[in-house]
Amino acid sequence: DVKVTQSSRYLVKRTGEKVFLECVQDMDHENMFWYRQDPGLGLRLIYFSYDVKMKEKGDIPEGYSVSREKKERFSLILESASTNQTSMYLCATYTGGDGYTFGSGTRLTVV
Amino acid sequence: GQQVMQIPQYQHVQEGEDFTTYCNSSTTLSNIQWYKQRPGGHPVFLIQLVKSGEVKKQKRLTFQFGEAKKNSSLHITATQTTDVGTYFCAVNTGGFKTIFGAGTRLFVKA
Repeated sequence: DVKVTQSSRYLVKRTGEKVFLECVQDMDHENMFWYRQDPGLGLRLIYFSYDVKMKEKGDIPEGYSVSREKKERFSLILESASTNQTSMYLCATYTGGDGYTFGSGTRLTVV
Repeated sequence: GQQVMQIPQYQHVQEGEDFTTYCNSSTTLSNIQWYKQRPGGHPVFLIQLVKSGEVKKQKRLTFQFGEAKKNSSLHITATQTTDVGTYFCAVNTGGFKTIFGAGTRLFVKA
């Protein structure tokens, strides 16, 4: 089974801090994604990457950037954390027939 | 843009009762996926439907894709407390982009 590992389960950061969320997959999947999940708003795509050093904006990229230096690792960066970025962040890989495989999520609180 | 409506938002059932959640689109879909998220957990892929009128079963779960490929349903027969969670549909909108429904949260009373 594909395993997607997110480095932190819970994080508390201060407003204005630069925040790094790390995600590693143990299969050779090309595609990786970052979503945020908020009550009432569902899952929203922040960024995705279909190859090393390639990235594409999703629906809500403002305030975020990403890095994919190696195939197995996809990092989400909050350049200057704000309270409205308090959320659950989910990393995922995707294969067509088997859908998305999500990591366990990082619950980020910005205070 | 394309939207996916999922109903109901919540459903409370007594253990042993059946449960159905529906996913509706205004446009024809190429495929639809279903996910389950347990409380405190992350979404887990259940199934993908591709063909018009397709019906697939996984034990007590029955998934249907409408004839017009604009709607889908997930039916659980004789719910158990282990079925508790939120069920999402997801549709591909082209390329690598997917829209997730808002989800139906299922509560099961023992």
